[in-house]
Amino acid sequence: DTAVSQTPKYLVTQMGNDKSIKCEQNLGHDTMYWYKQDSKKFLKIMFSYNNKELIINETVPNRFSPKSPDKAHLNLHINSLELGDSAVYFCASSPDGGGTQYFGPGTRLTVL
Amino acid sequence: GNSVTQMEGPVTLSEEAFLTINCTYTATGYPSLFWYVQYPGEGLQLLLKATKADDKGSNKGFEATYRKETTSFHLEKGSVQVSDSAVYFCALSDLGTYKYIFGTGTRLKVLA
Repeated sequence: DTAVSQTPKYLVTQMGNDKSIKCEQNLGHDTMYWYKQDSKKFLKIMFSYNNKELIINETVPNRFSPKSPDKAHLNLHINSLELGDSAVYFCASSPDGGGTQYFGPGTRLTVL
Repeated sequence: GNSVTQMEGPVTLSEEAFLTINCTYTATGYPSLFWYVQYPGEGLQLLLKATKADDKGSNKGFEATYRKETTSFHLEKGSVQVSDSAVYFCALSDLGTYKYIFGTGTRLKVLA
């Protein structure tokens, strides 16, 4: 019954590695997002997809690459991880652009 | 560009105290305004919203009124409980733009 799910919940890895975070929503929404939340709880939008098409790409390094295989999934792949990538990453979905957002539980990424 | 400014926290209150968390915004057009709450270890969830001037959003005893003349959307609750301890985010969006702007978040701690 989980509306927006993310895997894994925790991710600990070494600098330079490549990792992926998966997101799935079963709400039938057209729009999905990735956000990064830093240690001070500041929330920054990274990407937005609408019907599998990239709509927003906010000054995110090229090491971050989102992929949307279908409307219900939006995955985030990160290459060459850096210490500064340590944060909590949230996936969210929305029935329309700018409407209520439904957040996943977050993935805490720690880069050592 | 659009922006949201929230009062800095943390805010520490005793149980049953009155709560106000200030939020002001800058926007072109007619944005929708939101308050989200994030409990420890969880994703954000919608608390209330208002889509046009003078609308009042309310939920779980919390209220906020969309004031266009003062560009504000302050969150209030008459009597807080320990279970209200969380981080509260003010946000705005323009329907159809797919972009949300979140405030920096205000941590609320309620003491028994």
